[in-house]
Amino acid sequence: KAGVTQTPRYLIKTRGQQVTLSCSPISGHRSVSWYQQTPGQGLQFLFEYFSETQRNKGNFPGRFSGRQFSNSRSEMNVSTLELGDSALYLCASSLGLAGAKNIQYFGAGTRLSVL
Amino acid sequence: GQSLEQPSEVTAVEGAIVQINCTYQTSGFYGLSWYQQHDGGAPTFLSYNALDGLEETGRFSSFLSRSDSYGYLLLQELQMKDSASYFCAVTSGTYKYIFGTGTRLKVLA
Repeated sequence: KAGVTQTPRYLIKTRGQQVTLSCSPISGHRSVSWYQQTPGQGLQFLFEYFSETQRNKGNFPGRFSGRQFSNSRSEMNVSTLELGDSALYLCASSLGLAGAKNIQYFGAGTRLSVL
Repeated sequence: GQSLEQPSEVTAVEGAIVQINCTYQTSGFYGLSWYQQHDGGAPTFLSYNALDGLEETGRFSSFLSRSDSYGYLLLQELQMKDSASYFCAVTSGTYKYIFGTGTRLKVLA
């Protein structure tokens, strides 16, 4: 069974640009969550999608958005990039909503560098 | 607000036992999870506690006290491959998964 796939693995962008990251969940998983990981900050929850609907959102500005397609694949978009957006962006999938005992399976992440 | 606290770094020798504590403050608490992340790798699930008590999975055990808003991960018979970062994460009704900032475990030979 294939794991969670994130593309691209690395990205370099300049301030003001926008970027789209992609996540393909484990087959059969309907929930996809996105996290931002920076040194010293741990994993910060961005949002969770389930059945193409955003079910929960973290405390990030509106420049961060996402969507989920009917095949459960998800994309995350960051507009008007800032230097502080440089981070590892992780995607996690789970069978159901990320609560109860629904284990989250993480992809390897996309490392975004904003210059 | 919602917050988790865990030590930033723990060092132990091979074969020893180490405990990584996690205290949390949240509303609508569902459960406490633990994840392991090796440098350059993805976080992987270790354990989940929803009720008070100890859960054991091989060399790893996890404990939860809901009344104290406290939990810990216990690693026994430490091996060099256990050197990694360990994150506790609270599942809450409002913000779903809230992760701690992680504890870097260094296992010395």
